[in-house]
Order: sequence, then structure tokens, then C-alpha cells
Amino acid sequence: GAVVSQHPSWVICKSGTSVKIECRSLDFQATTMFWYRQFPKQSLMLMATSNEGSKATYEQGVEKDKFLINHASLTLSTLTVTSAHPEDSSFYICSASPGGRDQPQHFGDGTRLSIL
Amino acid sequence: AQSVTQPDIHITVSEGASLELRCNYSYGATPYLFWYVQSPGQGLQLLLKYFSGDTLVQGIKGFEAEFKRSQSSFNLRKPSVHWSDAAEYFCAVARGDSGYSTLTFGKGTMLLVSP
Repeated sequence: GAVVSQHPSWVICKSGTSVKIECRSLDFQATTMFWYRQFPKQSLMLMATSNEGSKATYEQGVEKDKFLINHASLTLSTLTVTSAHPEDSSFYICSASPGGRDQPQHFGDGTRLSIL
Repeated sequence: AQSVTQPDIHITVSEGASLELRCNYSYGATPYLFWYVQSPGQGLQLLLKYFSGDTLVQGIKGFEAEFKRSQSSFNLRKPSVHWSDAAEYFCAVARGDSGYSTLTFGKGTMLLVSP
């Protein structure tokens, strides 16, 4: 149980394009989902916390207008990288929790984004 | 603010040998602690977690970890390493008072397994 699916797993696009990444909780409802960014051989850096039905909470230094987050349902959150540039190339990972005090976060398999 | 330190960037262990990965945390209250494993190009898989109770926690794939409050440590152990254990391991602490609070990760330890 507690499966998180992320799509696409890999995307290559031209500079200036907007790219949408989906994060779905397949067998549980998640009022909160998280978006992380990971550079090669580095740890995960939290970008934002996505709350169903409300605005996302962004970490300091993360551009809200560049990384649009929508959490329209209890099983789906999307991250849109707007007007992507090569410096946005990275590995993006989402996570979600079923909720409840003792429930951990479960992670998707990540999306490799390459901007040419 | 909370922080997590994994002092070893790389560790090489012979197959069949025992393993211990170190993790130290800084947090003002009782921490919620986690170990995750990441294979190349993949997401993170939860190995085990500590929320309260018994300080020795068992996880998947034969891993265990011991919470030592006096040392602010949560070291991961495995008695006999398999080649398939080669991956990156991340220790994390929850910022809030629940398991689904935002996580602060250590920088990770890359485990290499030699034949």
C-alpha cells in the first residue's frame, strides 16, 4: 500500500517551454503533498508543500511564479515549471502521506527534467 | 532549526560484511526519524522509521536502526550486506510533530558493495 505515482518519469524539452509534472497517490488520499528538487549527487531540497484546496507553501528562495503548484484533489498534485530554462534541469520528486500522526511520507519515482 | 548530519559521503563494504551508516540530528523535541534508500534514477523508498517507543526499530530488507537520544544519533545497521544494497541512503528528521511533517534530509551516504 501507500503508492505514489509520478508522471512523466523523464522529459526533454526546449528552453522556454512549460512542463507539467503529475504526482498521484494511488491507494490513499493525501491532503498534503511535497515537492523536492535534487541535483546530481546531492540531497533532496524541499521546494514547496502542496495543500489540497489551498495555495502551496513555498520554501525560501523558490520562485512561486516559476514553479506553479496545483493540488486540485486529494489524490493529485501538479508541478508546472513555467518558461523552463537549462538551469531548471534537475530531478524532481514528490511525496505524499496518508495523514495521521504516525504516517510517513511515501515518495514517487521522480521526474528527470532536461531543458535544451 | 533542525538539521541532519551524515558524516560519511561514501562507504565501501564487502558483500556479506556488516554495515553501519551514521546519522546525527539536531532537533529540540522528540524527533521523528527516518531512513530512506534511493537507487540511481529512482525515488526514495522508506526503510524504517522511529516515532516513539522501542529505540531499536526494524525495517525492510533486513535493516535496523537504533535511536540514541543521548548521542542524538539514529544509525542504520545491517548484519550482512548484499550486492543489491548498493545505493544512496538518506537519513531524515521531520520538522513538526508528526510523521508527515516536512522533512529535513542529510546529504546522503553512498554505499558501494565490493565482491
